[in-house]
Amino acid sequence: SAVISQKPSRDICQRGTSLTIQCQVDSQVTMMFWYRQQPGQSLTLIATANQGSEATYESGFVIDKFPISRPNLTFSTLTVSNMSPEDSSIYLCSVGSGTEQFFGPGTRLTVL
Amino acid sequence: RKEVEQDPGPFNVPEGATVAFNCTYSNSASQSFFWYRQDCRKEPKLLMSVYSSGNEDGRFTAQLNRASQYISLLIRDSKLSDSATYLCVVRGNDYKLSFGAGTTVTVRA
Repeated sequence: SAVISQKPSRDICQRGTSLTIQCQVDSQVTMMFWYRQQPGQSLTLIATANQGSEATYESGFVIDKFPISRPNLTFSTLTVSNMSPEDSSIYLCSVGSGTEQFFGPGTRLTVL
Repeated sequence: RKEVEQDPGPFNVPEGATVAFNCTYSNSASQSFFWYRQDCRKEPKLLMSVYSSGNEDGRFTAQLNRASQYISLLIRDSKLSDSATYLCVVRGNDYKLSFGAGTTVTVRA
């Protein structure tokens, strides 16, 4: 299993600002994933963060809006840039392989 | 069309009842199937994997029908603690997971 922590747990931000979310895992992992879960909706994969290379973004998500860092095998950050109210969501960090995916507790973001 | 579709519910059942619900997936090349549980304001956690032959884990039974591309979950002898949202999750022939929007189950005393 993996224990994942995220910071901050929640934040309320003004539109046009940026927020960086941190994800820390208690073991070394090759791939880390960032998801978004909007109210009442399913989890949507934003990008896959690999250590030592550029993140791989899913359709509809771009690096300028969601820059990701992956400086080592236990840590990653996701930045939500130039925020608008539509970015209000829960952002979850995840790791996993094989049969199980583990999720961090999420960062609940509200953009005013 | 969404990759994974679920009946959102809610399913409101009394304690001790049996509740069952399905999900359908669109990618016939999907490799692995799971049910995750998500409690209110918490992260999803794996409930059980779903195998081709069907499998049980205590009061929970999962079935997979590849021909019709659907997965089911049945909960017997429902407990109050079973109240949650159940996410149907499918892994394609890459490492990525596709999530359903969840089926909400409320078990009442």
